[in-house]
Order: sequence, then C-alpha cells, then structure tokens
Amino acid sequence: GAVVSQHPSWVICKSGTSVKIECRSLDFQATTMFWYRQFPKQSLMLMATSNEGSKATYEQGVEKDKFLINHASLTLSTLTVTSAHPEDSSFYICSAYKSGTRADTQYFGPGTRLTVL
Amino acid sequence: AQSVSQHNHHVILSEAASLELGCNYSYGGTVNLFWYVQYPGQHLQLLLKYFSGDPLVKGIKGFEAEFIKSKFSFNLRKPSVQWSDTAEYFCAVVNDMRFGAGTRLTVKP
Repeated sequence: GAVVSQHPSWVICKSGTSVKIECRSLDFQATTMFWYRQFPKQSLMLMATSNEGSKATYEQGVEKDKFLINHASLTLSTLTVTSAHPEDSSFYICSAYKSGTRADTQYFGPGTRLTVL
Repeated sequence: AQSVSQHNHHVILSEAASLELGCNYSYGGTVNLFWYVQYPGQHLQLLLKYFSGDPLVKGIKGFEAEFIKSKFSFNLRKPSVQWSDTAEYFCAVVNDMRFGAGTRLTVKP
C-alpha cells in the first residue's frame, strides 16, 4: 500500500524559532498534499492544500506567512511554522493522494507533534 | 455554516455489542462522505466512503454506514464489535476536507 511519512515525528522548540516539517509520499507520486492541524480531543482542521509546482491554497483563518508550505516535488511537501509561539503547539498531519485519482485515495502521514516552549 | 458533527465523544462497549456512531452534516448540494479510523499509534485510514448510489455503504472490517439525505446523516454501524475495534473514528465531508471532532471507541474484552 501507499505510504506517507512525516519527519520529524515530534519536535520541541523555543518560542520565536522556526520549525520545518516534511511530508513524503514514499512509493507514489502526489500532485496534491494536504496539511491538517489537530488539537487535543478535537477534529482535524484542514490548513492548506499543497499543489506541486504552485502556491498552496490556504483555508480561511490560516496565516500564509506563519505557515509556509512548499511542494517542490511530487513526493515532498514541507510545512514551516515560522516564529513559533506556544499557541502553535499542536499535532500536524499531512496526507497525499496519488496523482490522477480522487481524494478518496488519500493516505495520511503519522503526524508531527510540535511543542513550543 | 458548513459543519460536520459527531455527537458521541467517547463510546464504551463490551465485545459483541452493536455499534452506531452518529455523524450529521450541514451542507447544501451534493456531499461526499467518508469515515476514517485511527487505531492507537497508527495513521488515519479510510474505513468507507459514499459518493452516490446505494445509500448503504459497506466498508472494511464489517463496518457499514447509511447515508440518509433527509436527516443529513451518515451514521457508522457494526453489528458486533471486537476489542480490536478500539480506535478513534472520524466522519468527514471530503468536498472541503472537513472532519468531525471524532469519536473514541473503547471496546472492553
């Protein structure tokens, strides 16, 4: 089956620093990847849709300059949390679906837990 | 406003009990509805999906869901749960990737 990995799986950083999270589709090409944020005991919230070779589409209320997304290749999308603050602490999950298929074949990464001190 | 609601936050059942997890949505027009499951320590994975056609959808591991348009519902069911069904279950409208808050299911052996 298709595998999506995320790196790192967890990260602790100081307030004001930037953190980069990678999302990779290991055995398939993904034109589109999604980034979600999940708060404890709450739903996954779609942050942005990442399209290879073009700018990401952000959901309403998500700061583009705060959460930088780069989808430079068909197998890699990165999310950079810039100038992180404690309120950015959360669980970030990416998903990807195979090029040429619908979103019902999206595969989720294991998530990255970010803790900002 | 468009939303997806899961009313049960935590459900505790004994093995062999029947399961029904509620999911309601507030969208106009055509909706594409999925149920995802997340087992402890694992990734989210697709359980079943509905795009159109037969409103009773069968998924993996004996799960099924029924789309009732008049009730704006897409409830998940399983006639007899097993301990291995312990997980978090998420309903989602994939038109805009909106997820419900999730329902944690604990099945006692």
